[in-house]
Amino acid sequence: EPEVTQTPSHQVTQMGQEVILRCVPISNHLYFYWYRQILGQKVEFLVSFYNNEISEKSEIFDDQFSVERPDGSNFTLKIRSTKLEDSAMYFCASSEQGSNQPQHFGDGTRLSIL
Amino acid sequence: AQSVTQLGSHVSVSEGALVLLRCNYSSSVPPYLFWYVQYPNQGLQLLLKYTSAATLVKGINGFEAEFKKSETSFHLTKPSAHMSDAAEYFCAVSSRVGTGNQFYFGTGTSLTVIP
Repeated sequence: EPEVTQTPSHQVTQMGQEVILRCVPISNHLYFYWYRQILGQKVEFLVSFYNNEISEKSEIFDDQFSVERPDGSNFTLKIRSTKLEDSAMYFCASSEQGSNQPQHFGDGTRLSIL
Repeated sequence: AQSVTQLGSHVSVSEGALVLLRCNYSSSVPPYLFWYVQYPNQGLQLLLKYTSAATLVKGINGFEAEFKKSETSFHLTKPSAHMSDAAEYFCAVSSRVGTGNQFYFGTGTSLTVIP
């Protein structure tokens, strides 16, 4: 069964540095998402991406964050000037179509900011 | 706006006993509802979904959920718990409007199965 893959599984970065989290969505999916889960808290929506542009973003997704689909297969989340509170599990998801379709999640990238 | 409330952050059941995980939603429009399971160090795996067809939805691993509009609930059940069911369970709601399609997750319920 096709799956969403995320790399790396764990990223350790010094505060203030930039990180890029990578995702390969399921190949025939059209919608892509990033979520984050701070330890012990719920999964929070960051951004959705469709037709090569952001279709929705949350308050969390400020100017520090950006997403890109650079080559038709990868979907990346860039976090500039990382802060301690950016430490979390980041999940990528994709879905075939719109809101009635389940989102398929990757195993996540654990981001640790030191 | 949509939101989900999961009552009970921790639920313990004996092996073979009924599993009941509660989820209530709030939505200004008819919702789409989902249950996901998360095993340690893994991503979210879809258990089942409600998208306005049958109100009783059957999912994987013997789980099912019933959509009750009058109670704004979508509780997850399984007749007989198995040790392998121990995991974190998340209820999520999605909007039928717009193109963003973000999911709103509950805070999760950790299920412990006692041998």
